[in-house]
Amino acid sequence: QQPVQSPQAVILREGEDAVINCSSSKALYSVHWYRQKHGEAPVFLMILLKGGEQKGHDKISASFNEKKQQSSLYLTASQLSYSGTYFCGTGTGNQFYFGTGTSLTVIP
Amino acid sequence: DTGVSQDPRHKITKRGQNVTFRCDPISEHNRLYWYRQTLGQGPEFLTYFQNEAQLEKSRLLSDRFSAERPKGSFSTLEIQRTEQGDSAMYLCASTGGGTYGYTFGSGTRLTVV
Repeated sequence: QQPVQSPQAVILREGEDAVINCSSSKALYSVHWYRQKHGEAPVFLMILLKGGEQKGHDKISASFNEKKQQSSLYLTASQLSYSGTYFCGTGTGNQFYFGTGTSLTVIP
Repeated sequence: DTGVSQDPRHKITKRGQNVTFRCDPISEHNRLYWYRQTLGQGPEFLTYFQNEAQLEKSRLLSDRFSAERPKGSFSTLEIQRTEQGDSAMYLCASTGGGTYGYTFGSGTRLTVV
């Protein structure tokens, strides 16, 4: 039931773009995205509802394809502060599962 | 509102001892979750409360784990007869539901020696 993310890890130079994918074996009704910095708790970035797309903050946005049961997170013109592990999350209110995670490192 | 608070931040215990963690969610959030996270992994779902009712519990959770949320406010997670495999970060999260995401506490890092 855990969503699978790809890639597992990515290293970027400042200013480069990245895409993180999240795939589920079950139908998606909504997808959350979180970022977790080392030693800290996950922080909510955005939620995408079925049939919709929501832009987040800074230059981070996401898309949601419920037919393919996939979501993608787009990081544009990456900044050093974008470094961390990104998790997608999905499920019903009773059970909510986080993805396998993508480690993103932005270097100067 | 100071967000989600968890106590203690760190706990070192000997194998076989019982431990209890506390979580104080955002006051207006009626949904509360407990997760366990080990190094390099995503948070693993443990249990879910809506108000004071425990509506879901992971099948992966052994009967050594129990959680309560009396009066629908703070919650406690107890682990009995701790094992080394219980060493992890235990995260609490709350949400008001709908289009709101989960707000996590800073977690309790448990080390079983």
